[in-house]
Amino acid sequence: DQQVKQNSPSLSVQEGRISILNCDYTNSMFDYFLWYKKYPAEGPTFLISISSIKDKNEDGRFTVFLNKSAKHLSLHIVPSQPGDSAVYFCAANPYNTDKLIFGTGTRLQVFP
Amino acid sequence: NAGVTQTPKFQVLKTGQSMTLQCAQDMNHNSMYWYRQDPGMGLRLIYYSASEGTTDKGEVPNGYNVSRLNKREFSLRLESAAPSQTSVYFCASSRNTFDGVKTDTQYFGPGTRLTVL
Repeated sequence: DQQVKQNSPSLSVQEGRISILNCDYTNSMFDYFLWYKKYPAEGPTFLISISSIKDKNEDGRFTVFLNKSAKHLSLHIVPSQPGDSAVYFCAANPYNTDKLIFGTGTRLQVFP
Repeated sequence: NAGVTQTPKFQVLKTGQSMTLQCAQDMNHNSMYWYRQDPGMGLRLIYYSASEGTTDKGEVPNGYNVSRLNKREFSLRLESAAPSQTSVYFCASSRNTFDGVKTDTQYFGPGTRLTVL
């Protein structure tokens, strides 16, 4: 049973436009959410996070939105750059553990 | 700081062989984790260690053992490798000191690509 779902395996966006990556979750015990970025042959690197007490967190070109009632979060990248081309993983943390549950990832390609 | 280091980077085994994947972190983190990444499956937790001296099973522990040798090092052992264990293995660490509002994140190593023939 997939508790964290990324239903779009891939996304292609033109440079300068907005990239929107989506993530849905099923477990109400998640209270902390993270996005990781992964380049080929490298480990995932932390990008941005959001606590369940917030609905938005911004860091430069990256903004994460959380809609708790819909159990949905999204990552917005504005403007998209070719260097953003990578696989993006959504992850969720239950309130009573330090484990992360990862989604299956979305491959973003930003073309010139 | 090197962060999280993993050895080896690549390994090919025959079915039934054993091996140990090594992981070390120099960030004085309390928690350490082992994941595997398979196509279309995301990252799945194999084992984790919340602190030195403790280990616990994750989502896919069968066929693996772990040792938290000290605060820095966390190794993953395959006693009798099977083709189903062909994967990319990632080690991660986190500070894990929860003091009200979560701000912690996990830091990942570069991965070990394992093929079992």
